[in-house]
Amino acid sequence: GDSVTQMEGPVTLSEEAFLTINCTYTATGYPSLFWYVQYPGEGLQLLLKATKADDKGSNKGFEATYRKETTSFHLEKGSVQVSDSAVYFCAIDGSGGYNKLIFGAGTRLAVHP
Amino acid sequence: NAGVTQTPKFQVLKTGQSMTLQCAQDMNHEYMSWYRQDPGMGLRLIHYSVGAGITDQGEVPNGYNVSRSTTEDFPLRLLSAAPSQTSVYFCASRQKNEQFFGPGTRLTVL
Repeated sequence: GDSVTQMEGPVTLSEEAFLTINCTYTATGYPSLFWYVQYPGEGLQLLLKATKADDKGSNKGFEATYRKETTSFHLEKGSVQVSDSAVYFCAIDGSGGYNKLIFGAGTRLAVHP
Repeated sequence: NAGVTQTPKFQVLKTGQSMTLQCAQDMNHEYMSWYRQDPGMGLRLIHYSVGAGITDQGEVPNGYNVSRSTTEDFPLRLLSAAPSQTSVYFCASRQKNEQFFGPGTRLTVL
């Protein structure tokens, strides 16, 4: 069945460091890909998305590119801030469509000054 | 717009008790869903609805009931709570391919 695998955390970085959080997926067809962010005590918010191969989603300095050949959607940011500390979830809509998002386990990011 | 609201924020139940988690949205979205979030497992879909009067099961529906009598409300019912239902529950509504999540309900079953 469809699944999402993302790197385990926690990831601990100093402010202004480069961030990569790996995400790979297994799905039939060509799913849409998403990154959601969860700040402490809050619900999930959509960070960025890509709906077809080679699309690049971007928001708030974060980027991810839909790589069909490697079934990956790695999240990157060139210079992280303390305010980026959160849990990041990779997700796909898979064969169930937009009503049935499939999430990775989440990666906690802690950024220190 | 208040977006997606959930009540209560926290709840402690004893095994066998019943309760309803409330969810409401004011964005007139047809699609709504319930997820549970457990450590190391991401979010898993419990039930979803594509409109008033229409519901369907997700990945982990056992032990939960839902109904959708209005577009705005999508309550989740636990008929007989079990410790395995200790989790954080998120309600979401969807517009096109973006889901909007509520702040969550943290439920503990003793």
